[in-house]
Amino acid sequence: DTAVSQTPKYLVTQMGNDKSIKCEQNLGHDTMYWYKQDSKKFLKIMFSYNNKELIINETVPNRFSPKSPDKAHLNLHINSLELGDSAVYFCASSLGPRSTEAFFGQGTRLTVV
Amino acid sequence: AQKITQTQPGMFVQEKEAVTLDCTYDTSDQSYGLFWYKQPSSGEMIFLIYQGSYDEQNATEGRYSLNFQKARKSANLVISASQLGDSAMYFCAMREYLTGKLIFGQGTTLQVKP
Repeated sequence: DTAVSQTPKYLVTQMGNDKSIKCEQNLGHDTMYWYKQDSKKFLKIMFSYNNKELIINETVPNRFSPKSPDKAHLNLHINSLELGDSAVYFCASSLGPRSTEAFFGQGTRLTVV
Repeated sequence: AQKITQTQPGMFVQEKEAVTLDCTYDTSDQSYGLFWYKQPSSGEMIFLIYQGSYDEQNATEGRYSLNFQKARKSANLVISASQLGDSAMYFCAMREYLTGKLIFGQGTTLQVKP
């Protein structure tokens, strides 16, 4: 059983489109995150939810909107995709904001053409 | 500002030898956590080891150990008895106390030679 699963694993789309990435965790964790890994492999947090409430919203364009329908799910919707949005997006979860572990999904490689 | 620095972009190690991957951090928080992750070429992020700022003993997990030197603000990862499967990119990260977010270093690419 995959602890943190993201779909899709690969996403190729045209500029201007709207797309969503889904994330689900079966660990019973309260906190979920979205991280972005750029072409130089640098990882940066985008959003964090704790018990379905947004607790971190880094300086991300408002074309990116996270949605947490319940504690086990955190989806990322991206409007009007741009070339610069091409990256690997990782979902992660932890027991709480100060947990000693944080587990990542396998990543979604988004390519905007 | 919180910062993690990994100064070794790439490292080589001979199979079966030990290797140390460097990580230094900067924070004004008294309470924080330090993490190491492995990212193989397949792309997933694999959690390896955690060290809390108040933990007096260095963390160990199998062949991984974390050399925590609080005064020097360093949290180096030691991999003993390297295996070919250890070839990957390794990321050091610090958990910010207030928000829980992970702040990552630039990563170190490790190649294990047979």
